[in-house]
Amino acid sequence: DAGVIQSPRHEVTEMGQEVTLRCKPISGHDYLFWYRQTMMRGLELLIYFNNNVPIDDSGMPEDRFSAKMPNASFSTLKIQPSEPRDSAVYFCASTSDRARNEQFFGPGTRLTVL
Amino acid sequence: QKEVEQDPGPLSVPEGAIVSLNCTYSNSAFQYFMWYRQYSRKGPELLMYTYSSGNKEDGRFTAQVDKSSKYISLFIRDSQPSDSATYLCASYTGGFKTIFGAGTRLFVKA
Repeated sequence: DAGVIQSPRHEVTEMGQEVTLRCKPISGHDYLFWYRQTMMRGLELLIYFNNNVPIDDSGMPEDRFSAKMPNASFSTLKIQPSEPRDSAVYFCASTSDRARNEQFFGPGTRLTVL
Repeated sequence: QKEVEQDPGPLSVPEGAIVSLNCTYSNSAFQYFMWYRQYSRKGPELLMYTYSSGNKEDGRFTAQVDKSSKYISLFIRDSQPSDSATYLCASYTGGFKTIFGAGTRLFVKA
């Protein structure tokens, strides 16, 4: 298995631009998580899905952030418009009911907003 | 106050030392406790997990949970340079919303 796949690995954009981060979970996993990691705030859960349905989005910082999961093998996290304070590493993770104590993380997308 | 507190370090030790990493948590409903290891520019990977109080050992690693004091510990025996990484403690109640500590950066010097 290729593991959780994220793209792009690095993104540099200017303030005000739209940013779309992509994730492909491990096949057979029905839970998908989006996290943001910064030095100041650590690893924060933004939103998670179960069977493509958003379950908890209480960590989404504001309306500029949105996430979708149109099917079991693809999810996006969109920031529009982006701001310099959105600069962070964004991780996608997936798991299943049988492996609920372990989340499998992707390599992350390092986002820099200038 | 964050639900899971962890000293960010960094912690620097010589090779072969015993390492003690610690977290405290505030949510009494937490039942599951995990330690993740994160190498530089990689995603976190599960190292160990425990349910409720007690100890769990896996090779050179021992995880310990004391629910009475809301204290989580990870001990690394005979530490190696390859153990140099950031260690994140994490907890959740039984659903899937996992709360992570800030992570402690560990450096093991050869």
